Amino acid sequence: DAGVTQSPTHLIKTRGQQVTLRCSPKSGHDTVSWYQQALGQGPQFIFQYYEEEERQRGNFPDRFSGHQFPNYSSELNVNALLLGDSALYLCASSAFRLAGGHGELFFGEGSRLTVL
Amino acid sequence: AQTVTQSQPEMSVQEAETVTLSCTYDTSESDYYLFWYKQPPSRQMILVIRQEAYKQQNATENRFSVNFQKAAKSFSLKISDSQLGDAAMYFCAYNRGQGNQGGKLIFGQGTELSVKP
Repeated sequence: DAGVTQSPTHLIKTRGQQVTLRCSPKSGHDTVSWYQQALGQGPQFIFQYYEEEERQRGNFPDRFSGHQFPNYSSELNVNALLLGDSALYLCASSAFRLAGGHGELFFGEGSRLTVL
Repeated sequence: AQTVTQSQPEMSVQEAETVTLSCTYDTSESDYYLFWYKQPPSRQMILVIRQEAYKQQNATENRFSVNFQKAAKSFSLKISDSQLGDAAMYFCAYNRGQGNQGGKLIFGQGTELSVKP
């Protein structure tokens, strides 16, 4: 049973560019959440997708957007990249419908974004 | 707004000994969940233990146990018989109760645990 998979694992962009990160949830999971983890810090919640809609959002600007597809996979898009966007981006999935709202979160290994 | 604070940036323990990692949190909610996650150098966050606020009994998972003090808003993790594989960054996390869909965790700053052979 594959866990949460993320791609790419590493990428380098320059300021002003746009990036798309991808996440496939664990089999049987229907909810995907995205987190940003700066070096030496705890992860910070960006947003959560369920039934192809953004359900919750953290304190991130509109440059951060996402999408969830019918197969529950998800993308995180960041426009107009800033140096401060350099971080590890973590995807986590859970089974909301099966677990009644508090299924365990399973995390992927993350995508390391470096903005030069 | 809810906050989670880990006041120990680094901790060290001798192999086979016991170590306790501290966490405090602030919330006005009565229904919530608390977690300890482990993040090894491989980067993947792994759930260590989970505590529901409405349960008075402290959660245990093999060598891992918590001391949940709801009134004091304290949630410490005790690792017994420490092993080399326990070396990692440990994060305390909070999750609101109903209506949250389980996705929005609020993390502390982390405690880096090293285990000496």
